Amino acid sequence: QVQLQESGPGLVKPSETLSLTCTVSGYSIGSGYYWGWIRQPPGKGLEWIGSIYHSGTTYYNPSLKSQVSISLDTSKNQFSLKLSSVTAADTAVYYCAKSQTLFGVAIIGAFDVWGQGTMVNVSS
Amino acid sequence: DIQMTQSPSSLSASVGDRVTITCQASQGISNYLNWYQQKPGKAPKLLIYDASNLETGVPSRFSGSGSGTDFTFTISSLQPEDIARYYCQQYDNLPPTFGGGTTVEIK
Repeated sequence: QVQLQESGPGLVKPSETLSLTCTVSGYSIGSGYYWGWIRQPPGKGLEWIGSIYHSGTTYYNPSLKSQVSISLDTSKNQFSLKLSSVTAADTAVYYCAKSQTLFGVAIIGAFDVWGQGTMVNVSS
Repeated sequence: DIQMTQSPSSLSASVGDRVTITCQASQGISNYLNWYQQKPGKAPKLLIYDASNLETGVPSRFSGSGSGTDFTFTISSLQPEDIARYYCQQYDNLPPTFGGGTTVEIK
């Protein structure tokens, strides 16, 4: 059973870089699937940030592309998110998630297993 | 980006009632649509994929239908544990986008 767990600072100062890690258990991330990040501002809806394929190819939301970097660390079975130049608008719960597969094909934008989420506040 | 419009934004129904939520895509997405349930303080949980397929372990009172631009999510007999916010999400095009959500409450 695949499980995901986010970790990282709960408070980031404006203009700094938000860094989060997702630790995966129950599956080797270098073996398959897309691994994604989604966020949810307090009381609001869900926004896809980006995903990384097990090969290392990345896909980002164009609205965040200039700020975002996602990477894999297969030795630790983790993938990470970096969001630069943050503002208060980046305050949100950040989720990591695993892609669904349909007929054996990983679907980049669909998610069937999610981490519990981690709240990140951007404030001085 | 494909816009996903959900309605209503909230509803109140009695236990045992049939509940229906609609989701409209700004352009055709075939059947590439998920429905998620999110309870307060929890991550979204996948209920329906490919518009009408029930995820393993999800109770059969949940169902979905539709194709193209218009989709429907139904709870056939509302239970107290179904109190949550429900989201549709398209995965036909990047970026994947979510509807604004529907809060389901017990009357």
